[in-house]
Amino acid sequence: DAKTTQPPSMDCAEGRAANLPCNHSTISGNEYVYWYRQIHSQGPQYIIHGLKNNETNEMASLIITEDRKSSTLILPHATLRDTAVYYCIVRVGGSNYKLTFGKGTLLTVNP
Amino acid sequence: GAVVSQHPSRVICKSGTSVKIECRSLDFQATTMFWYRQFPKQSLMLMATSNEGSKATYEQGVEKDKFLINHASLTLSTLTVTSAHPEDSSFYICSAKTERYGYTFGSGTRLTVV
Repeated sequence: DAKTTQPPSMDCAEGRAANLPCNHSTISGNEYVYWYRQIHSQGPQYIIHGLKNNETNEMASLIITEDRKSSTLILPHATLRDTAVYYCIVRVGGSNYKLTFGKGTLLTVNP
Repeated sequence: GAVVSQHPSRVICKSGTSVKIECRSLDFQATTMFWYRQFPKQSLMLMATSNEGSKATYEQGVEKDKFLINHASLTLSTLTVTSAHPEDSSFYICSAKTERYGYTFGSGTRLTVV
């Protein structure tokens, strides 16, 4: 699986958009970008995933650059409950292949 | 949809005893489940991949005789920590893959060995 690089921490004001970057310069053509988050002492929660097109769901938007070497997770209106560690993971889709977690980004949403 | 239930959420056991953690897929069948361990302020570390009806595949450095995994049905996988010691105290998390939601995780089990 391609390696990802994320900033260790970020801050965001409540109500503002949170933009979390992820670099994955060695991504292969058949690898998807997945985003998960983990709120303290809970299991990770799926947020969104994509291959090359931008994706949006009820939780977030995923913007993938045209060369697919980086992506940005956008939480449009961050709340205090969005404080969590966010993990960007790149891996091949469509199979029961393991997910490998990096260190992620600790997003702190401030009142 | 795609709920993974993990039980117990917390357990305290004496050193030398064994502890079993259950992971159930509630509304879907999971031929493959994954077990992770997470130490404080660290990321999740994959321990093993659990396959229904066959032996689990362990990651390098994980003792298979210490962390027994059984995946006897399409909805249940269990992790047994045998002869637990204080250094086994950790947060254990299971996961299963679904078509729509990707990988769904249980809520985790906080194990404390005293």
